Amino acid sequence: AQTVTQSQPEMSVQEAETVTLSCTYDTSESNYYLFWYKQPPSRQMILVIRQEAYKQQNATENRFSVNFQKAAKSFSLKISDSQLGDTAMYFCAFSQGLTQGGSEKLVFGKGTKLTVNP
Amino acid sequence: DTEVTQTPKHLVMGMTNKKSLKCEQHMGHRAMYWYKQKAKKPPELMFVYSYEKLSINESVPSRFSPECPNSSLLNLHLHALQPEDSALYLCASSQSQTGYGYTFGSGTRLTVV
Repeated sequence: AQTVTQSQPEMSVQEAETVTLSCTYDTSESNYYLFWYKQPPSRQMILVIRQEAYKQQNATENRFSVNFQKAAKSFSLKISDSQLGDTAMYFCAFSQGLTQGGSEKLVFGKGTKLTVNP
Repeated sequence: DTEVTQTPKHLVMGMTNKKSLKCEQHMGHRAMYWYKQKAKKPPELMFVYSYEKLSINESVPSRFSPECPNSSLLNLHLHALQPEDSALYLCASSQSQTGYGYTFGSGTRLTVV
């Protein structure tokens, strides 16, 4: 079974600084998908960024970028120019894609609580 | 419309009450999910409806009962809940293309008294 590990329960960063959140996973599959979700105190889980395992290029979305190391099974999230609104729980998630039934099973890490300080 | 809408946002119920949570999406997604989330924990999958077929997490108690009236609407019926069932209940949906993850609703904060 796939597992996702986030080794940093809590992190803090100063506003405008850069922070990196770690995520490792375990799978025997060669094709899969990885995600970072953000959950602010407002509760809604928001997709920050996704990576397809067969793509070597690291995904980037504005201030958010990933460092995807397939051989090391590592998928870290870098947040540049941190803003107060980035304060949230961040969950790393893994998916093998659609099941035969047409749904998608996500395996979540335990999360990292990020606090951006003014 | 790119949203998953959940109602109500907050619910307080007694252990003898019957209530329902509602989830709706109009993105044409054919798979919808119910998750339970405790504070500072990842979400735990309860039920999946995919193309109107139900998949159950066997560890979910029978006091939770899902219903999928159509491909856009998902309900979660609650009956005789326990205080430990107090949590954030998240609904999500996923598209038919592989590898795009979920779109989540904003959740229902449930308190059982």
